[in-house]
Amino acid sequence: NAGVTQTPKFRILKIGQSMTLQCTQDMNHNYMYWYRQDPGMGLKLIYYSVGAGITDKGEVPNGYNVSRSTTEDFPLRLELAAPSQTSVYFCASSLKRRETQYFGPGTRLLVL
Amino acid sequence: GESVGLHLPTLSVQEGDNSIINCAYSNSASDYFIWYKQESGKGPQFIIDIRSNMDKRQGQRVTVLLNKTVKHLSLQIAATQPGDSAVYFCAENLPHSGAGSYQLTFGKGTKLSVIP
Repeated sequence: NAGVTQTPKFRILKIGQSMTLQCTQDMNHNYMYWYRQDPGMGLKLIYYSVGAGITDKGEVPNGYNVSRSTTEDFPLRLELAAPSQTSVYFCASSLKRRETQYFGPGTRLLVL
Repeated sequence: GESVGLHLPTLSVQEGDNSIINCAYSNSASDYFIWYKQESGKGPQFIIDIRSNMDKRQGQRVTVLLNKTVKHLSLQIAATQPGDSAVYFCAENLPHSGAGSYQLTFGKGTKLSVIP
């Protein structure tokens, strides 16, 4: 079991560029989540999904989009990168709602 | 809004001693709590969780205590080792429907440094 994997590990974007952060889990978890972590802070939920085809906004969804076409994959899309989106992005998954969430290694994004 | 907070931002302990990391939560409706460990450059790693119908739960070298009266959570690490050096986050979960029931609300974290 690889658990939750994320690519890329690090990326530099120019303002206005777009990119997709990839997330894949092999634990057959229905629930998946995207968080961002700013320096010295805890994590904040961006989007979550309760299953293939179903997504919903979290606490800080502005500037992001997600899709969930399969159980395994939950990509996060940034359409017009802004400096405020400089952060570390973590994907997580859980088997059931309100149970332990397992995190990927993160993607460090720098927007200049 | 209500949020999870931590009493101490940094904690230094001698190797072999016990560590206690504290966390205060302000939302009395929260009924599920998790402790995560985050090493530098890595994602949060699950340590232990506890539900509000319990006041204590033990794992391997770790114990979580929940005091609902004062809305306080603590993580105790026995015989602290250098490998325990990391940032520790507590997170809470609300029971109601909607995004709140999926979202873990994280505190800012406590950095634990173990002195060899």
